[in-house]
Amino acid sequence: QKEVEQDPGPLSVPEGAIVSLNCTYSNSAFQYFMWYRQYSRKGPELLMYTYSSGNKEDGRFTAQVDKSSKYISLFIRDSQPSDSATYLCAPSQGSGDKLTFGTGTRLAVRP
Amino acid sequence: GAVVSQHPSWVICKSGTSVKIECRSLDFQATTMFWYRQFPKQSLMLMATSNEGSKATYEQGVEKDKFLINHASLTLSTLTVTSAHPEDSSFYICSARGMETVQAEQYFGPGTRLTVT
Repeated sequence: QKEVEQDPGPLSVPEGAIVSLNCTYSNSAFQYFMWYRQYSRKGPELLMYTYSSGNKEDGRFTAQVDKSSKYISLFIRDSQPSDSATYLCAPSQGSGDKLTFGTGTRLAVRP
Repeated sequence: GAVVSQHPSWVICKSGTSVKIECRSLDFQATTMFWYRQFPKQSLMLMATSNEGSKATYEQGVEKDKFLINHASLTLSTLTVTSAHPEDSSFYICSARGMETVQAEQYFGPGTRLTVT
């Protein structure tokens, strides 16, 4: 079993839709939960991160962590074609520890 | 802020030669840099972690004599792929974490695409 599981997609939605991206993980020691966005042939860009369980909102993006079920979610409201990218979840055990990446979910937002 | 650059952005080399990839933190001091490899349609796989002035820590299965990492300054780390073979063709990405950045955050470079012929 992989430490971090993520549906690779692709996920195709119309512009303006609410998008839900999810990851599950197996390592209960993970404390930090990062979300990165990666455009084709580019390096990942940090979107946001949360510490432990709970919600965090930043503009159109909301990250949720449920440590009891080892489930991580990223919601995108009012999705835009420019949101079309691969979204990677990447938890870590400590603030300075290495990241463990999921496979990424490819998202396509149709105009 | 928190910009990381890589050079070159792409490189083609012949089998058996060595290639050096540079990773620079442009506006912060990177105490720790990470090197990843990403194959097409796959996720990032951590190769090694390097702290400034120390030897790199390699992940299991990564040959340290083949992938030489140097982190001689707080703004520069290099990855040298020695005696490259076609199976080393991949997208190599570095990330950096600094004293000034929030501890949990890593900032990634744009990546270097290596093709070995």
